[in-house]
Amino acid sequence: ILNVEQSPQSLHVQEGDSTNFTCSFPSSNFYALHWYRWETAKSPEALFVMTLNGDEKKKGRISATLNTKEGYSYLYIKGSQPEDSATYLCANTPLVFGKGTRLSVIA
Amino acid sequence: SQTIHQWPATLVQPVGSPLSLECTVEGTSNPNLYWYRQAAGRGLQLLFYSVGIGQISSEVPQNLSASRPQDRQFILSSKKLLLSDSGFYLCAWTGGAMNTEAFFGQGTRLTVV
Repeated sequence: ILNVEQSPQSLHVQEGDSTNFTCSFPSSNFYALHWYRWETAKSPEALFVMTLNGDEKKKGRISATLNTKEGYSYLYIKGSQPEDSATYLCANTPLVFGKGTRLSVIA
Repeated sequence: SQTIHQWPATLVQPVGSPLSLECTVEGTSNPNLYWYRQAAGRGLQLLFYSVGIGQISSEVPQNLSASRPQDRQFILSSKKLLLSDSGFYLCAWTGGAMNTEAFFGQGTRLTVV
């Protein structure tokens, strides 16, 4: 099982700011990279599943990029809102998660 | 549509007692199934995953075990709980391919006293 590292561990931003976090993973034997959003008292929900080098996916104000050759993925949130406050998790195969980035958006 | 059920939602058990948490998936066949634990202040740790009946991969050596007696049923067990087993346990499933998103149960909050 290959470990996934996420940074930063936590992040506080003002409402309206754009932000991004990093997920690093071993580039060998890569299969897929997952991003999830985990709100307190709820179950994690999938944001993106990415497989191809150079992949870029978008869902509303949230987007993600993937570089399988160097082993990293970025998650971007444009114009952060208080409802974006959550822990953002990335995972490689077979769904081994990083420790997450806890985002707090201050109104 | 597919759904995942996990129970119980909360559980308080004494040290040394047995444990059985159950997870079932409906609306799909041959899912990949996963058990995770989040200990206090920690991330989501993969405990077990299964790609088919009777096929269990263990990621963390400990006093927990998992079984998959039926295609869509995944059970997490312990013969004797430790204080360190306290945490939030989540079950999840994905389709057969590893590039499909995971769906999670509602979780079980286990407190070992």
